[in-house]
Parts: sequence; structure tokens; C-alpha cells
Amino acid sequence: DAGITQSPRYKITETGRQVTLMCHQTWSHSYMFWYRQDLGHGLRLIYYSAAADITDKGEVPDGYVVSRSKTENFPLTLESATRSQTSVYFCASSESSQMNTEAFFGQGTRLTVV
Amino acid sequence: QQQVKQSPQSLIVQKGGISIINCAYENTAFDYFPWYQQFPGKGPALLIAIRPDVSEKKEGRFTISFNKSAKQFSLHIMDSQPGDSATYFCAAAYNNDMRFGAGTRLTVKP
Repeated sequence: DAGITQSPRYKITETGRQVTLMCHQTWSHSYMFWYRQDLGHGLRLIYYSAAADITDKGEVPDGYVVSRSKTENFPLTLESATRSQTSVYFCASSESSQMNTEAFFGQGTRLTVV
Repeated sequence: QQQVKQSPQSLIVQKGGISIINCAYENTAFDYFPWYQQFPGKGPALLIAIRPDVSEKKEGRFTISFNKSAKQFSLHIMDSQPGDSATYFCAAAYNNDMRFGAGTRLTVKP
């Protein structure tokens, strides 16, 4: 099916563990993004990628690592999870080279760090 | 420091009424102002968007009003329906930077 998919949908992990959230899109969009959604903060940009092998920091990048070896995949890794990283994470993609066009979001991954 | 401030946090409207959500932004470089709608368990989806060269944009029951001098914009939902019950996010974007408001949870009562 065409679209953007995230996995897993739900994840519980322990403090200090490494966890990777997956994102896959089938549109061949150049731009991909990772956001976290927290009550009272809306969505905040963690990292974005303009193309394969090109990534850049967003508003809240600390504690996260991304990679983009293929256009369709954009995994987000928490190298040593902390409780403050408990959140709902959304991946998004856009066909434009700029954010001022529509971004398509996945269904989200709810991550709980205990 | 939030660059896009959204109000109210929650809104309850009767079916057939008008829902109004307001946003204000700081950075005058923003040149794209979308509204996203999010249902529980789903990702946000683009509802309607406006650029600063127009003061109003209407799509069906949804209207964005934009006031460039005041750095404010708002979403109006006419004839609100129970199916409109969702969380609404305003956003402002420029190049590779898009900032979201904190969201408004809208409940439309039948």
C-alpha cells in the first residue's frame, strides 16, 4: 500500500536502552521528518532529511540519532532512552524541498520509557 | 519559547455552531500557515493552508482568516458537526522549519 508507515505502533523500553523507531514511505518523497508530540507542546521537530545521506537537526535533537541510507527509510534511534523521551513520535514526508507544502504523517509510535 | 501560540486548548461547540481557533506567531519570515486535523490514534492530516499574500481562504465549511500586520491567523469551522471532533494544530513554516501550535481539542456535541 502506498503511504507512510511507522513501526512499531507501541513500544515500552527501559531507561538506558537503545531503541529504534522505523519509518518507511512509498512515494519517493525527498524530504522526511521526525516529530515528537507531547501534551501542551504540539509537535516539535527532532530531525529532518532532505535526501538520502543528508540529515539535519530540528528543534529538539538531543538524545536522538537518525540515518537515511535509502530514500524510503528514515529510522530514528534513541541511543540511551530516558523517561523524558516518553512521547508519541510521528514521521512525515514531503515531496517539496521546503516545508511550505503539505507534509504527510504516519500513524505514530507511542513510546514509553520506564 | 513557543513560536506559535494557539488558543483555546479545548473547545466545546454545539452541532451547527461556529468553531473558532486562534493562532499567533512571532517570526515574520514564516510564509506558509497550515492547519492540521488529528483524530485519536492517527497522524495529523492537512486540512487547509494559507500564504501571507491573501487575507482569507475558504474550503467548504473551513475558513482561514489571516492578519499579517497582527501576526495572527484563525480557523473558522462553520456548521460544526460531531465528525469534526478532533484535535486541530496550526503551524507556521519557512523553508525547512515548521513550528506547530500546542493544539486545540474540539468537541462538537450533537
